[in-house]
Order: sequence, then structure tokens, then C-alpha cells
Amino acid sequence: GESVGLHLPTLSVQEGDNSIINCAYSNSASDYFIWYKQESGKGPQFIIDIRSNMDKRQGQRVTVLLNKTVKHLSLQIAATQPGDSAVYFCAEKAGTYKYIFGTGTRLKVLA
Amino acid sequence: EAGVAQSPRYKIIEKRQSVAFWCNPISGHATLYWYQQILGQGPKLLIQFQNNGVVDDSQLPKDRFSAERLKGVDSTLKIQPAKLEDSAVYLCASSLEGREVGTGELFFGEGSRLTVL
Repeated sequence: GESVGLHLPTLSVQEGDNSIINCAYSNSASDYFIWYKQESGKGPQFIIDIRSNMDKRQGQRVTVLLNKTVKHLSLQIAATQPGDSAVYFCAEKAGTYKYIFGTGTRLKVLA
Repeated sequence: EAGVAQSPRYKIIEKRQSVAFWCNPISGHATLYWYQQILGQGPKLLIQFQNNGVVDDSQLPKDRFSAERLKGVDSTLKIQPAKLEDSAVYLCASSLEGREVGTGELFFGEGSRLTVL
């Protein structure tokens, strides 16, 4: 069946260091992926997306890497800041207009 | 640009009671989603609409949950009767789904937190 999972439920990172959040997906036919950030008490917020015809995409302080061979996504956050503390989800496009979310990884930024 | 609006933000009810949540998507967004997010988990899709038609409701517990989007704009999600396990945040999202893959960013509301006692 279709599933999207994350390897680590909680990640603690020192302020200023780089963060790497991982995500595994199971549907090799998936052609589009999105990373979301969810702060406490709020809805998920779009961070960055990537199509399956790409291996890497960069945004402001964030980079998403896609490895289709092992069906793995990662989100890299450079120079992690306290404001980056949140839960991060990857979402997989599983069909027309349909997105499946992973369990999420909580990122804690230590001062 | 106004975001996705949801109400109420919080609701506490007893089991077997009913509850309704309302969502107003971003203007012009044809696709509307209702997700259920249980504490500590990722959002789980309940139902998605394209305009006023249902695209996917395969994970909606139809014996107690119902949703409608009569005019293709606002939507309501109803639970009747509620069970303890329905305690969750109900997230509404909308998107301006393009024809090509890669344009499907979902815009979420802040959610409606339901506690069933």
C-alpha cells in the first residue's frame, strides 16, 4: 500500500548547525513531493517542493534532495534558527490531487 | 490575500453528541480537503472535493462523518455521533491545482481542535 514515513520522530540540533530531516516513501510511481512545517497550534505551511524529474532543489536556507533509487527524501536546513523549531512533514502526491503525509519529525533547536 | 478560514477553533463535546466544522477556502481554489490530525501523527485525508464534487472519500467513516461543499466554495464537516477517538485537529486545506504535476501546494487553515469527553 501507499505510505510515507519518517525515520526519526525527534531531532535536536544546536542553533547555527545544519539540520537534516529524512523521509521514506513507498510508491515508486509518485512524481511530486512537498515538505511542510507545522508550528504548534497552526496548520502545516509549505516549505519547498520537488518533482520526480529532479534530484535536488534549493530554497532560502533549505534544500530538498530526492533519491528515487531508494525512495528517500531529505530536507536540509542550513544554519538552524530557533524559529525553525516545529514538526516537519513530507507529503507524497499519491494520485490526482491526493497527498499522503508522513508521521512527522519534531525539530528542536537548542540555544 | 486571505488564507483558509476555519471555525470553530476549539470545541469540547461529550461522546455521542454531534459537531460541525466550517471551512472557507482561498478564493478561486477549486480543490478542498479535510484532514484529521491526531496528536503526534501526520494529517490523514478524510475527503477531498473538486469544486462541489467528491474526488475521494475512501477514508471518511461514513457511518458518522459527513461533508458537503454545496456551492463549490465553503464546506462543512459533521460528526454524529462523536466517539472518544474522534478527538483530533480537523484541518481544512485548499489548492489551485494546476494541470501539470508540481503545482499542488496545499494551503492549510489553522484547524479546529475537537475534544470528545
